[in-house]
Amino acid sequence: AAGVIQSPRHLIKEKRETATLKCYPIPRHDTVYWYQQGPGQDPQFLISFYEKMQSDKGSIPDRFSAQQFSDYHSELNMSSLELGDSALYFCASCRTPPTGELFFGEGSRLTVL
Amino acid sequence: GENVEQHPSTLSVQEGDSAVIKCTYSDSASNYFPWYKQELGKRPQLIIDIRSNVGEKKDQRIAVTLNKTAKHFSLHITETQPEDSAVYFCAASKGNFNKFYFGSGTKLNVKP
Repeated sequence: AAGVIQSPRHLIKEKRETATLKCYPIPRHDTVYWYQQGPGQDPQFLISFYEKMQSDKGSIPDRFSAQQFSDYHSELNMSSLELGDSALYFCASCRTPPTGELFFGEGSRLTVL
Repeated sequence: GENVEQHPSTLSVQEGDSAVIKCTYSDSASNYFPWYKQELGKRPQLIIDIRSNVGEKKDQRIAVTLNKTAKHFSLHITETQPEDSAVYFCAASKGNFNKFYFGSGTKLNVKP
């Protein structure tokens, strides 16, 4: 069965650089969530989209932006990267009305040097 | 907003024993409570969930109980095995594309 696809899986950037993460949700899933997970921490909600519109916003820095495109894939853009942005970034998708299950991608590990 | 608290943060049990992880939530409108298992460096994967219209759900060695009045829910793993060792997260959601709020996680170690 198709799963949530994230790319790249690993990314290394320097401070103040820009990074873009991509997420391809499961087909027919119309809601996408982005989470940031630091080492040993729980996933922190960043932002979500429903039908290509932003539906909710969490602890996403102003340096970050995201959008969902017409094919439902989503991109998380991170600018002026800081050391503290190093984390595992998960994209998750579900179908609304929600069956409930949130399917996570494998994650994109961002390392900022 | 919702606040989900999870205890304990670490749990060590002997193989074959039971393990119980507890979560509380603050928003009485939350109606969906999934549990995720996350192995090191991997994605969280749903292991069981419960909705607010039921009090208990079981799937083989795993069960979840929900007390709406007290606003807490628990994960029970019986006959634990070494492969159960992982970090477990509870979560709460109001559904309808609302965000999922995660607990802080419980690192379960099952000793052979």
